[in-house]
Amino acid sequence: AQRVTQPEKLLSVFKGAPVELKCNYSYSGSPELFWYVQYSRQRLQLLLRHISRESIKGFTADLNKGETSFHLKKPFAQEEDSAMYYCALSGRPTSGSRLTFGEGTQLTVNP
Amino acid sequence: DGGITQSPKYLFRKEGQNVTLSCEQNLNHDAMYWYRQDPGQGLRLIYYSQIVNDFQKGDIAEGYSVSREKKESFPLTVTSAQKNPTAFYLCASRGAPQANYGYTFGSGTRLTVV
Repeated sequence: AQRVTQPEKLLSVFKGAPVELKCNYSYSGSPELFWYVQYSRQRLQLLLRHISRESIKGFTADLNKGETSFHLKKPFAQEEDSAMYYCALSGRPTSGSRLTFGEGTQLTVNP
Repeated sequence: DGGITQSPKYLFRKEGQNVTLSCEQNLNHDAMYWYRQDPGQGLRLIYYSQIVNDFQKGDIAEGYSVSREKKESFPLTVTSAQKNPTAFYLCASRGAPQANYGYTFGSGTRLTVV
């Protein structure tokens, strides 16, 4: 079974402050981890995935297999970062693997 | 418009009625998925299909049915057996993982029981 947990439903920070959205997972194999973002009135979109090891909009996320975590971080939050963030896991390596989502964290960046 | 289209955007259903939500993609993706999004519960998988004429139940399949007769289409029927159908429904598709394709989502259908 695969499971994703996002312990914080709501997170509020001030502009310019660092932000960390937590994500923990359980999966017996080698997972593929993603962060998705949903801005107000927009469709869910991919923010980043661990296999790409990229930084998107200043966000980074490192897969920690020992702690089974994939926390999303940004050193200086911006007001436009306010959105709902979902951590997701897909089993590998099969085509069409199901994607399991966490409950989501609503991030609010205050001016 | 993103390659995956859901319709209608809003749908109202009377008690005891079946309704069908449309999902069409022109991305040539093999796999397609239906999720239900409820506040505080994230996205939960209803059904998914890895290939034409084949589909599997997700975590909350009861009261729903799907078909996959064409690669580009994966309609979801919400039957009268679904006790709490009011929700936001999202369709997604994915190409081959080895090509580093992610999942693409539609803009969703909001279903309300009246």
